[in-house]
Amino acid sequence: NAGVTQTPKFQVLKTGQSMTLQCAQDMNHNSMYWYRQDPGMGLRLIYYSASEGTTDKGEVPNGYNVSRLNKREFSLRLESAAPSQTSVYFCASLRGDRVTEAFFGQGTRLTVV
Amino acid sequence: KQEVTQIPAALSVPEGENLVLNCSFTDSAIYNLQWFRQDPGKGLTSLLLIQSSQREQTSGRLNASLDKSSGRSTLYIAASQPGDSATYLCAVVKDSWGKLQFGAGTQVVVTP
Repeated sequence: NAGVTQTPKFQVLKTGQSMTLQCAQDMNHNSMYWYRQDPGMGLRLIYYSASEGTTDKGEVPNGYNVSRLNKREFSLRLESAAPSQTSVYFCASLRGDRVTEAFFGQGTRLTVV
Repeated sequence: KQEVTQIPAALSVPEGENLVLNCSFTDSAIYNLQWFRQDPGKGLTSLLLIQSSQREQTSGRLNASLDKSSGRSTLYIAASQPGDSATYLCAVVKDSWGKLQFGAGTQVVVTP
């Protein structure tokens, strides 16, 4: 049972380059999320998708775009990477019922130089 | 705006001692609170989920309490082991979209 799978695990980008982080879940969950984790700041929500075909901004959406490709997949795109986007990115999913637990992927460690 | 605070930021205890980790939140109108464990360079592993209607939840050596009125949750880990060394994060769900608001975590070291 894979759960939530993120690719890639590591990435180094130059300032101005673009890339897409991939996330897929196999638990038939309705809701998916992208968080970023920075030292001393905990995790902050970037974007989320409550169901297939819908996306909404979270706390720190600037510089990012998302696509809910289907029920399983939710991608995060950096159009023009900046050093401030150096972070660890986590994808999460939950069934869609707000009272259920969230499951997280293993993270993507991104460095922008 | 909901704020979630975890104190202390770091904790070191000898093996066998009980661990007590604190989490406080400013808005008591939450749906649930979840405790996670994070090992260095790894993702988050869910430990316990406490619904807003519950006072506590238990799993093995772990016990988490919730006091919504005072905006506090406590995670107890009995008889700590070196394998319990990790960062522990608490997070609350405040709205119907399941969005998590995280504390910054408590880094725990259990020494043999």
